Amino acid sequence: GENVGLHLPTLSVQEGDNSIINCAYSNSASDYFIWYKQESGKGPQFIIDIRSNMDKRQGQRVTVLLNKTVKHLSLQIAATQPGDSAVYFCAEKRTGGGNKLTFGTGTQLKVEL
Amino acid sequence: KAGVTQTPRYLIKTRGQQVTLSCSPISGHRSVSWYQQTPGQGLQFLFEYFSETQRNKGNFPGRFSGRQFSNSRSEMNVSTLELGDSALYLCASSPTPGAWDTEAFFGQGTRLTVV
Repeated sequence: GENVGLHLPTLSVQEGDNSIINCAYSNSASDYFIWYKQESGKGPQFIIDIRSNMDKRQGQRVTVLLNKTVKHLSLQIAATQPGDSAVYFCAEKRTGGGNKLTFGTGTQLKVEL
Repeated sequence: KAGVTQTPRYLIKTRGQQVTLSCSPISGHRSVSWYQQTPGQGLQFLFEYFSETQRNKGNFPGRFSGRQFSNSRSEMNVSTLELGDSALYLCASSPTPGAWDTEAFFGQGTRLTVV
């Protein structure tokens, strides 16, 4: 079936290191991908997005890479900080699907001091 | 600009009861979507409303319903509550459903506990 999934449930990194969170998707029709960050007790917060006609997009300390050949998405966080500790979700949307988002299972990022 | 507002934040209900949750989208946003978040199933799409019409629906039983008002505010209702309905219910607003490549803004959610 169609799904968006994450490889690792928990990722621990040292403060200052770079973090890489991965996501796999199975539907070739997916054409818009979003990374969300969710802190405890809060709703998901938009981090960065990428369209299917792009391979890479950079934001402030974050980079999203899209590999359509293997249907893989990754989020790179540079110089990880304690405030980055949260659960990260990838989500996909497709043309004609309105605003329906299909979410991955989530990765818990823990930043160790 | 105010964000997405969901009320109430916390709710405790008994099995068999019904519950209504409310969502006020960002001003100017006309599309409202609802999601259920549980530890076991993650974030799952419930339905989307635009111009008071349901445009998309997820795979949930008919006990889950929603509606949207002319001011874009939305409510969702769950009837005959079951223990498994305990979850965080999230509302997301977007400008329009036609702009496929736009982000959705989420509220803080309503934590529903069914006892």
